Amino acid sequence: QVQLQESGPGLVKPSQTLSLTCSVSGGSISSGFYFWSWMRQPAGKRLEWIGRIFSSGDTNYNPSLKSRVTISVDTSNNRFSLRLNSVTAADTAVYYCARESVAVATLDSWGQGTLVTVSS
Amino acid sequence: DIQMAQSPSSVSASIGDRVTITCRASQGISSWLAWYQQKPGKAPKLLIFHASNLQSGVPSRFSGSGSGTDFTLTISSLQPEDFATYYCQQSNTFPFTFGPGTKVDL
Repeated sequence: QVQLQESGPGLVKPSQTLSLTCSVSGGSISSGFYFWSWMRQPAGKRLEWIGRIFSSGDTNYNPSLKSRVTISVDTSNNRFSLRLNSVTAADTAVYYCARESVAVATLDSWGQGTLVTVSS
Repeated sequence: DIQMAQSPSSVSASIGDRVTITCRASQGISSWLAWYQQKPGKAPKLLIFHASNLQSGVPSRFSGSGSGTDFTLTISSLQPEDFATYYCQQSNTFPFTFGPGTKVDL
């Protein structure tokens, strides 16, 4: 059974770059059947889809974040990453990585989530 | 962006109750809708995909229906472990968007 685990700093200063990595175990990120996605959820609010990447490197991003977001994939280490530039307090949230089935466009496996706080 | 609305925002229910949650999309999304359950401090868990398909391992008391703009999630007989927040999500059009959630409590 696939497992996803987010890692990265829990505290980022305003204007700096948020960087997170999602390590995938129990399945290959190169399988071709899945996209690899990032979501976030500010406290008490709904989930927000950030973007996704395929093993080929093809990406789709939320237009609201597109100018600041980069998602990349490292197939040799079975992981993918999120970078969000120029962060502000509004980027404080729990960040989740997840696997999306290509066939049914559904997020079927999620990491446990990691809280990132933007504060000086 | 496609806006997702859910009703009610919260529902108080008892063990054994039938609970129905509604999700409405601001434009047609065919059957590209999923339902997730989230408990406090935990990641969302997929319940239903493509509007009416039960995810493997999810109890059969959960069911989904609808297409186009109007969808429902039904819990036929509420169990103690079902007290949680439920979200709908559309995957018809980028960016994928989620509903605001429906909290089911005692």
